[in-house]
Order: sequence, then C-alpha cells, then structure tokens
Amino acid sequence: QQQVKQSPQSLIVQKGGIPIINCAYENTAFDYFPWYQQFPGKGPALLIAIRPDVSEKKEGRFTISFNKSAKQFSLHIMDSQPGDSATYFCAASRNTDKLIFGTGTRLQVFP
Amino acid sequence: GAVVSQHPSRVICKSGTSVKIECRSLDFQATTMFWYRQFPKQSLMLMATSNEGSKATYEQGVEKDKFLINHASLTLSTLTVTSAHPEDSSFYICSTKGGLPETQYFGPGTRLLVL
Repeated sequence: QQQVKQSPQSLIVQKGGIPIINCAYENTAFDYFPWYQQFPGKGPALLIAIRPDVSEKKEGRFTISFNKSAKQFSLHIMDSQPGDSATYFCAASRNTDKLIFGTGTRLQVFP
Repeated sequence: GAVVSQHPSRVICKSGTSVKIECRSLDFQATTMFWYRQFPKQSLMLMATSNEGSKATYEQGVEKDKFLINHASLTLSTLTVTSAHPEDSSFYICSTKGGLPETQYFGPGTRLLVL
C-alpha cells in the first residue's frame, strides 16, 4: 500500500514535444504529490506539487493532472527542451512527511 | 525554495571506518529532516526521519546502530555511517521540511565510496 508506481521507465522525445509521465498510488491517506527533477550527481529539485483538492496545477511549462478516484497523477512537460533531459521522480506522502518515491523516468529530449 | 547544504559532497573511505555527513538548513529552522539513500540508477529510499532534540525514527530494514543520526540544532542534522563496508557505497541525500506552502527541499547529496 506504500508503493508509488511510475511509468514509463524511459522516454525519448524531440524538442518541442510533450512528454507525459504517469504515476499511481494505493494509499488513500496520501495528500501531497510532488514531482522532482534530478540531474546526474545532484540532489532532486522540486518542480511542482499538487494536493488532492484540485485536478490540475500548472507552473510554467510543467502541468500536473490529478485523478483522485483513479489514484493516478501525471506530469506533462510542454514545449520540452534539451535542458529538460533528466530523471523525473513522482512521490507521495501524508502531510509532506515521509516521501514515497516512484521508480523514476529518464527523459531525453533531442534537438 | 529552501537552501539545504550537505558536506562533504563526496567521500572515499576504507572499509571499517566511520564517515560523518552533515546536512544544514540554511534559510529556515527545520525541526524535521529526512535522510534518503539512492543507489545508482535507482530511486530514493527513505532511511530515517531526524527530529530536533529527540531520537531519529528509522525505516524498516535500516540499522539504527549502523546509521547514527544526530539532530542537535534546528539547522543541522548529521548522519554517521559506522564501520562502513563497500555495500554502503551510495548517494546519501538529506531533505528538510518547511516553507510556504510546506514541502521537502533536498540537499545536493553526498557520494560515499567505501573501498
């Protein structure tokens, strides 16, 4: 019940494309769903986060879609750039405490 | 976002020695900090929750006597890997909980290599 399933494992898009990464959770007590971006050898950086009281949140080129009934949420990256090439992790927690991370998606954006 | 620092950024040690990693919250007081471990090409796994002024809470399967955590002030938590072995080689990352809206901010990580 503590797992967060993330797909796909890797993703390749061309510049300007819209990669979509999906996550699913089981624990209905989770109320905080962040996405992190990680470059090799660096710590994760918070991109955007959502709470279950909204179905969508947008910050710049990043959008989270949240489906509470399906217990799924996804990250969309609009107008992707080569600089977006990184590993993306979804996570879930209760009260922003112990984050349970997905397995990660390695995104490559080609020029 | 909050600024979290870690020291050292990388460390190489011999098997059997102990290594201390520091995590500092630079721009707000953090009563709670978290320690994660990340093996190459894998996800982050929570090791323990560090609470200022009290004992850390360890996740299942994490040896508390091997991974000593001290959170003596509101801005500093330390993780000591005692009697390190090659299988302890990993990327150790801390995070602090805070900010408005509240979230977790991660440090830059410490790469530990045990020879």
